[in-house]
Amino acid sequence: EIVLTQSPATLSLSPGERAALSCRASQSISSYLAWYQQKPGQAPRLLIYDTSNRATGIPARFSGSGSGTDFTLTISSLEPEDFAVYYCQQRTYQATFGGGTKVEI
Amino acid sequence: QVQLHESGPGLVTPSETLSLTCTVSGGSIGDYYWTWIRQPPGKGLEWIGYIFFSGNTNYNPSLKSRVTISLDTSKNQFSLKLSSVTAADTAVYYCARERWLAGIDYWGPGALVTVSS
Repeated sequence: EIVLTQSPATLSLSPGERAALSCRASQSISSYLAWYQQKPGQAPRLLIYDTSNRATGIPARFSGSGSGTDFTLTISSLEPEDFAVYYCQQRTYQATFGGGTKVEI
Repeated sequence: QVQLHESGPGLVTPSETLSLTCTVSGGSIGDYYWTWIRQPPGKGLEWIGYIFFSGNTNYNPSLKSRVTISLDTSKNQFSLKLSSVTAADTAVYYCARERWLAGIDYWGPGALVTVSS
């Protein structure tokens, strides 16, 4: 099973600041990585797929990068609605999720 | 607009079988991976498995012996059965649609299932 490790567990930032979230895979997953945002009481929302492609309707301040085992989600300038939990997910033969990073004010 | 919605009992007795159905509206079943994901209260997401529109299935190895996912294309529904449940299976269960290499783009609102006597 491919294990995804997200860091940090919590990121404390202010609106307008830049956020960089890390996701590391236990073995190479090529570019098969997606990122999701989840707010309390809601289902997750797809942000990024295939490492760097923004999903429909996702603002340009969200970007993804990486390959192999190391991936990053960057939020260039945090808006108030961006404070949430973020999960990475790999999709090779099976799927797994990372443990999540909470972005808090 | 594609919508998914989970339905089923919110309370299941330990050792029994958890059964949930997901109804898909606003789109067809074709050429997608229909997926179940769960989230224990206050914890992260766990992938349970999927069924492809062709009927092929793939399950989380840690749950494989207890999980069955099936598809009813005539009703635009897919279902989850999880046998021999314990309190550790208490979670919000999400049904979702995945496109190959394009992420899980549509999710149901989630259904809380509590395992308790």
